[in-house]
Amino acid sequence: DIQMTQSPSSVSAFVGDRVTITCRATQDISRWLAWYQQKPGKAPKLLVYSATTLQGGVPSRFSGSGSGTDFTLTISSLQPEDFATYYCQQANSFPVTFGQGTRLEIK
Amino acid sequence: EVQLVESGGGLVQPGGSLRLSCAASGFTFSTYAMSWVRQAPGKGLEWVSGISDSGFSTHYADSVKGRFTISRDNSKNTLYLQMNSLRAEDTAVYYCAKRRCSNGVCSTILRGASEDWGQGTLVTVSS
Repeated sequence: DIQMTQSPSSVSAFVGDRVTITCRATQDISRWLAWYQQKPGKAPKLLVYSATTLQGGVPSRFSGSGSGTDFTLTISSLQPEDFATYYCQQANSFPVTFGQGTRLEIK
Repeated sequence: EVQLVESGGGLVQPGGSLRLSCAASGFTFSTYAMSWVRQAPGKGLEWVSGISDSGFSTHYADSVKGRFTISRDNSKNTLYLQMNSLRAEDTAVYYCAKRRCSNGVCSTILRGASEDWGQGTLVTVSS
């Protein structure tokens, strides 16, 4: 199985800060990586798919990069509504796997 | 508007069974691959199972293989998850999720992402 490791596991930041979350796969997954945002008590929301493509309606301050085994999600200028938990997910091979999550907290 | 509504969750004893349903509307259900994803209390997301548009192809996480069965009834626009031999560690909120089409491909789980999710249904396995 492909393991997905996110770092950091948690991060504190100020509104307006730039934040980068990384996700590393144990095998080459090409560009078959997605990023999700989840707020407490809510279902996950798709932010980025195919590693770099922003889902419709997602603000342009979010961006994804990477291919192969190393990926990043960047939020260029944090807004209050961005404080949530973020997950990466690979869909290159079964079983589909998620990273353990990165909790983004307000400082 | 896409709607996914899960039902069937509840309290069940270890070793028991439960069937979850996910009623879909607002899209052509029969042309989309679907998944079940769960989240234990206070924990991260775990992909459980996926099924192709026709139902012909199914896949499972190692943790549920042999105990859970995913299926769909395209005539009823409904996705199912039959859960047998339940364990305490199966306690979680279970979400159904619809695949996002990429380059016209909607029918398989791989090389895609889940763009629509239900609200989830809680399964508690406890004596």
